[in-house]
Amino acid sequence: DIQMTQSPSSLSASVGDRVTITCRASQSIRNYLNWYQQRPGKAPNLLIYAASNLQSGVPSRFSGSASGTDFTLTISSLQPEDFATYYCQQGHSAPRTFGQGTVLEIK
Amino acid sequence: EEQLVESGGGLVQPGGSLRLSCAVSGFTFSSYWMSWVRQAPGKGLEWVAHIKKDGSEKRYVDPVKGRFTISRDNAKNLLYLEMNSLRADDTAVYYCARDWGNYDAFDLWGQGTMVTVSS
Repeated sequence: DIQMTQSPSSLSASVGDRVTITCRASQSIRNYLNWYQQRPGKAPNLLIYAASNLQSGVPSRFSGSASGTDFTLTISSLQPEDFATYYCQQGHSAPRTFGQGTVLEIK
Repeated sequence: EEQLVESGGGLVQPGGSLRLSCAVSGFTFSSYWMSWVRQAPGKGLEWVAHIKKDGSEKRYVDPVKGRFTISRDNAKNLLYLEMNSLRADDTAVYYCARDWGNYDAFDLWGQGTMVTVSS
């Protein structure tokens, strides 16, 4: 199975900050990498698909990039509604696997 | 409006069974692979199983193999997860999700249904 390792596991930041979350795959997944946001008590919401493509309706302050087996989610200027948990997920092969999550908290 | 609505969760004893349903509306159900994803209390997301558009292919995560069965009824726009031999570590919110695009992203999710396995 492909393991997805996310870092950091938690992050404190302020409104307006630029933050970066990384995800590393245990083997090549090409760009079959997706990012989700989950707010407490809610279902996850797709932000980025295929490593760098913004899902319809998602603000442009969210972006994704890839380099080999390393993937990055960047939020350019944090807004109050962005404080949530973020997950990466590989869609390359079954079983689909998620990273362990990054909790983004208000500093 | 595209929508997924899960039902069937509840409290069940260890070793028991439960069947979850996911009612689909607002899109052509038979055009999409579908998945179940679960989340134990306070934990991360775990993909459980997926099923091909016509039901001819199914895959499962190792911990549920031989105990869970995913199925679908395209005529009724329903997705199912039959869960047998339930264990305490199956306790979780279970979400149905639509597999979308060539990169197998989950672009539409239900609200989730809670399954609690406890005596």
